[in-house]
This record gives sequence, C-alpha cells and structure tokens, in this order.
Amino acid sequence: SYELTQPPSVSVSPGQTARISCSGDKLGDKFACWYQQKPGQSPVLVIYQDTKRPSGIPERFSGSNSGNTATLTISGTQAMDEADYYCQAWDSATVVFGGGTKLTVL
Amino acid sequence: QVQLVQSGAEVKKPGASVKVSCKTSGYTFTSYEINWVRQAAGQGLEWVGWMKPDSGFTGFAQDFQGRVTLTRDTSTSTAYMEMRSLRSEDTAVYYCARGIRGDSAHDYWGQGTLVTVSS
Repeated sequence: SYELTQPPSVSVSPGQTARISCSGDKLGDKFACWYQQKPGQSPVLVIYQDTKRPSGIPERFSGSNSGNTATLTISGTQAMDEADYYCQAWDSATVVFGGGTKLTVL
Repeated sequence: QVQLVQSGAEVKKPGASVKVSCKTSGYTFTSYEINWVRQAAGQGLEWVGWMKPDSGFTGFAQDFQGRVTLTRDTSTSTAYMEMRSLRSEDTAVYYCARGIRGDSAHDYWGQGTLVTVSS
C-alpha cells in the first residue's frame, strides 16, 4: 500500500519560515493537500491540489509538490501556527494520510 | 454556511455495532462526496471510506472492508457510518468530511464523534 512519510516534529522561531516535508513514491504525479489540526479541534484544510489555498487561509501558507516530495511552507510563522500538520494524497482509489508533523513555534 | 454536525459520543462493548450520523447543511448534499476519517487518542488521521451521496457508491480502506457500511438519507442530507464487530482498537474520534469536487481533499469537517469500545 502507498505510504506518505513526514518528520515527527519541526521547530521554528517566530517570524521565520517553517518547511514540512511529505515523501512518497512519485508523489509529484499526484495531488497533495495539507491539514492543520490544533488540540481538541477538527482538521482544517490549508493547501489542496499542491498549491491552492482555501478561502480564509492566510497567504503565509504555501505548498509545492515535485518528484517524491511535497512541502508545506509557512512564511513568517506565528505562534498561532503551532499545531499538527498532515499531508494527504490519493492512490489506487484510497485516501492516504501522512503520519503527521508537530510544528513547535519557539 | 456549510456545516457538518455529527451525533454524540458513544460507548460500546466489544463485538457490538455503532452508527454515527453526519447531518449536512448549507450546500447541495448530493453534489459532494462524504469521507469518514478516524483518529485514536494521540495518533494520526486514518481514512475509513467514502461515499457518493447521489448514487450511494462507496469505497473503503482495506482494513475496514466488510466491517463498515456507509449510507445516506438524501431527504435529510445526512450521511451515516456503521461499524460492526467493534474492538478496543476502534476507540477513536470519528470525523465526517466533505470532499472537494475533482480532488481528494476535504474542505469541511464535522466536529467529530468519540466512540469508546470498552467492556
């Protein structure tokens, strides 16, 4: 079965750029999306179709996807961005999630 | 505005069944897929399956094939997930989520339903 691999944790200082990777075989040939989840809350879609931002998502969130890696980039990271982030793709008629990355802003 | 409102928490014994509802509003129910995703405490997201409300067509993750049924009531714009033969490992928060047209991403999520399986 298809697998997506994310680093368990990423740390960033406020105002700096955070990058979270998501790796999978030929992931660049598929669409990737990203969710933000804060404790006790439902996930929120922040990027879909590799690079698109849903309405209401700040411009500091951006995405890319090429080769075997999709990347979520948060520019000018703020304390409110501290959360778990999950990548997701579609393969062989199934939805696949990455294991999640805890973003710490310190 | 788009809303997905799920039924309340459930406590079940091993071997029992549970049925979770997801009542939608604010959009045309039959025009968007509904997905079900679960999350055990402190763990990541796990996809359960999806349904096309217009046709009732369903698809499932391999781990849930034969143990989960997805249905809908178009008259009330409500989707349902029933899971049978529950075991302790099924203890999790179960979410319904709307699928974006032409993509596998989910743009609106329910608030989640905690299902606890315990003897």
